[in-house]
Amino acid sequence: DIQMTQSPSSLSASVGDRVTITCQASQDITNYLSWYQHKPGKAPKLLIYDASNLETGVPSRFSGSGSGTDFTFTISSLQPEDIATYYCQQYDNLPRTFGGGTTVEI
Amino acid sequence: QVQLQESGPGLMKPSETLSLSCTVSGGSINNHYWSWIRQPAGKGLEWIGCIHVSGITNYNPSLKSRVTMSVDTSKNDFSLKLRSVTAADTAVYYCARGDWGWDSWGQGTLVTVSS
Repeated sequence: DIQMTQSPSSLSASVGDRVTITCQASQDITNYLSWYQHKPGKAPKLLIYDASNLETGVPSRFSGSGSGTDFTFTISSLQPEDIATYYCQQYDNLPRTFGGGTTVEI
Repeated sequence: QVQLQESGPGLMKPSETLSLSCTVSGGSINNHYWSWIRQPAGKGLEWIGCIHVSGITNYNPSLKSRVTMSVDTSKNDFSLKLRSVTAADTAVYYCARGDWGWDSWGQGTLVTVSS
């Protein structure tokens, strides 16, 4: 299985801050990476696919970059509604695997 | 806009078989893969597997020996069976559309395994 290592596991930031999360794959996954936002009691929401493509309807303050084994997810200006846990997920190989998650707090 | 809704038992006993179904509304079940994903309390997300209406299935090797997925096109729904459950299978179970970038999800259903 491809292991996805996310960091940090949690972070605290202020409204308006730039927030960056990293995700490292245990092997080359090209750009087959998604990012999800997960709020308590809600279904996860797809934000980014193919490492850097913004899902339709997702605010432009969210972005992703990277390829190969190293990826970055950025919130350019943190908003109160962005409080959630964020997960990276690879789909280069089966089984699909997720990172451990990053909880973003204000 | 497609909507998904899971249904199944909330409480089970060890060794029983978990049966969950996911009803798809607002769109056809055809021409898509459909997945099951779970989240144990306090832990991260785990992909269980996926199925296509053609019958193609892919299961997580960690669960493969206990998992069966099926699709019912007449009801526009798909199902998950997980045999011989233990407390470790206690989780919120989600159904979702796709086999990788899951763009539509159910709200999730909590399944608790306890004697």
